[in-house]
This record gives sequence, C-alpha cells and structure tokens, in this order.
Amino acid sequence: NAGVTQTPKFRILKIGQSMTLQCAQDMNHNYMYWYRQDPGMGLKLIYYSVGAGITDKGEVPNGYNVSRSTTEDFPLRLELAAPSQTSVYFCASSSGYRNSPLHFGNGTRLTVT
Amino acid sequence: AQTVTQSQPEMSVQEAETVTLSCTYDTSESDYYLFWYKQPPSRQMILVIRQEAYKQQNATENRFSVNFQKAAKSFSLKISDSQLGDAAMYFCAYRSQGGSEKLVFGKGTKLTVNP
Repeated sequence: NAGVTQTPKFRILKIGQSMTLQCAQDMNHNYMYWYRQDPGMGLKLIYYSVGAGITDKGEVPNGYNVSRSTTEDFPLRLELAAPSQTSVYFCASSSGYRNSPLHFGNGTRLTVT
Repeated sequence: AQTVTQSQPEMSVQEAETVTLSCTYDTSESDYYLFWYKQPPSRQMILVIRQEAYKQQNATENRFSVNFQKAAKSFSLKISDSQLGDAAMYFCAYRSQGGSEKLVFGKGTKLTVNP
C-alpha cells in the first residue's frame, strides 16, 4: 500500500520561481490537506479539500493555490516563490469517518533562496 | 477557533523510565477528537494514539496511554518503559466532529531518551 505519496522530497527554488508539489493517495479518501511545518511552530494548514472539485483555504493560504480534479490527486502550486515559503510541506488524507486519523506523506523540504 | 498548547518545548527521560507530555486545548465544542502524533528525525508523521471526547475511558496503545481530562481540557501522553526509538517530536492535535475534519496542531515537544 503506497498510502500518501509526495514528490519531490527536496527542492531548491530561486526567488520568483514557481513550482507544483505533487500529492497522490490510493486510499480513496475524500478529505485531503496541505500543511507546512516551520521550526518550532508545529503544522499549519494551507489548504484542504473535502472532495473532488471542492477546495478551501486554511490558516496560511497566501502565496499558494490548489486544485482537486480527481479524488486521488491534490497538487499544491507555489507562484512567485519567496524566502518565507521555505518550509517542510506535508500532504495528508483522511476518510472523514469519526475518529479516523490523518495519513501523512513523507514531506517535501523546500528552500527558497 | 480551537487552539492547542504544548507547554513543554523539550523533555528528556532515561531509558526504561516513564515520561508524561502535556497538552491543553481550547474549544467550545462538546464532541471532538484528540490525537498524538510522533515525528522521528525521518520526518514521517506517525499516529501514536487517539481519543474520542465522548469516551470517558482513557485510550491505551501498548506503552502509550493518555490522561484525558475533558473538564480541564487536558490531554497528556504517558510513555512507559521508554525506549531509544521513542526519541522524536511529539505533536498533540485536535479535530472537530464533522465538517472538514482538519487537524489543529500544537507546536510540539521534543523528547530525548537517554541511555
């Protein structure tokens, strides 16, 4: 079982460049999430989706965009990368049933210089 | 909005001993879920234990148990017989019942296990 797969694992961007972080899950989960993790700050929600075609902003959405055209995929787009976007990014999914946990990908470490 | 507070940025424990990590949360809801996640140096987020607010019985998973005090809005994690592999960041998380099911995380506690 692959679970939640994130690519790439590492990336270095120059200021102003754009990129897409890929996320795919094979558990048929309706709910998907993007979090960022900064040192000493826990995980903060960027965007989430409760199903294909439905997305919504989380706590820190500025500078990012998402789309959800299929149940399996939930890519995160960074436009005009800034140093403040240097972080570790996690994608997660959930079935949404009562106490079902979030299943996380292994993260992408992004550095913007 | 709900908030989760982990007041111990770092903790340490001797191998084979017991340690308790603290977590408090703020909510006006009566039904919700609480989780502890472990993040080792590999960066992977691993579910340790979960608790449903409507259940009075504290959850237990092998050497991991929680002390859930609903009235005090407290959800501490106890690790018994600590092992070197328990060394990691530990995150407490809150989830509302229904809606988007998103988790709200605390800032984490770094646990060191000394041999």
